[in-house]
Amino acid sequence: GAVVSQHPSRVICKSGTSVKIECRSLDFQATTMFWYRQFPKQSLMLMATSNEGSKATYEQGVEKDKFLINHASLTLSTLTVTSAHPEDSSFYICSARTPYTEAFFGQGTRLTVV
Amino acid sequence: QKEVEQDPGPLSVPEGAIVSLNCTYSNSAFQYFMWYRQYSRKGPELLMYTYSSGNKEDGRFTAQVDKSSKYISLFIRDSQPSDSATYLCAMYYSGGSNYKLTFGKGTLLTVNP
Repeated sequence: GAVVSQHPSRVICKSGTSVKIECRSLDFQATTMFWYRQFPKQSLMLMATSNEGSKATYEQGVEKDKFLINHASLTLSTLTVTSAHPEDSSFYICSARTPYTEAFFGQGTRLTVV
Repeated sequence: QKEVEQDPGPLSVPEGAIVSLNCTYSNSAFQYFMWYRQYSRKGPELLMYTYSSGNKEDGRFTAQVDKSSKYISLFIRDSQPSDSATYLCAMYYSGGSNYKLTFGKGTLLTVNP
């Protein structure tokens, strides 16, 4: 299957700081990328959908000013958690697809806010 | 009622056993059904993808869809310790911007040697 690389795999940051997570499609051009959050023993919850060159569409209840998503190219999307707080600690996962394929997932990023 | 319900498990079986994982759904608009495997602290990996009702086989894995009952299953034959993971069902309906995967909660499977 296609490869989606997510970086970093793990990050610890101080409360009040911002952290950026990158998601790259390595061998295909992703017209659409998705960002999910997963709490322990819970399923993946979609946060937002982004199409290259367009503003992201956020799911209900997700603060767009807190979770900034940029999809500047067909191979890169970034999620920035601004002014992070301990309750933002979670496992963040991206996925990417083209109109002709299923979504492929990155390895995930474990964020811990202390 | 949640759109997708999945047997919570956890499920523990001996090596070589046949494993049955199941999900039910309430939205009859769902047309595409997937099973993902997720190892601890990793992203989901697509295992099976089906569209129509019936069975689809890939090696030791068989995906079954019954649209009339809104029920999908994943069977694992000759289970191996390396199959130990969380299995997530997911589904969506077609149509341009309507690609939005809805996941089940996941079933944690442990295959004991």
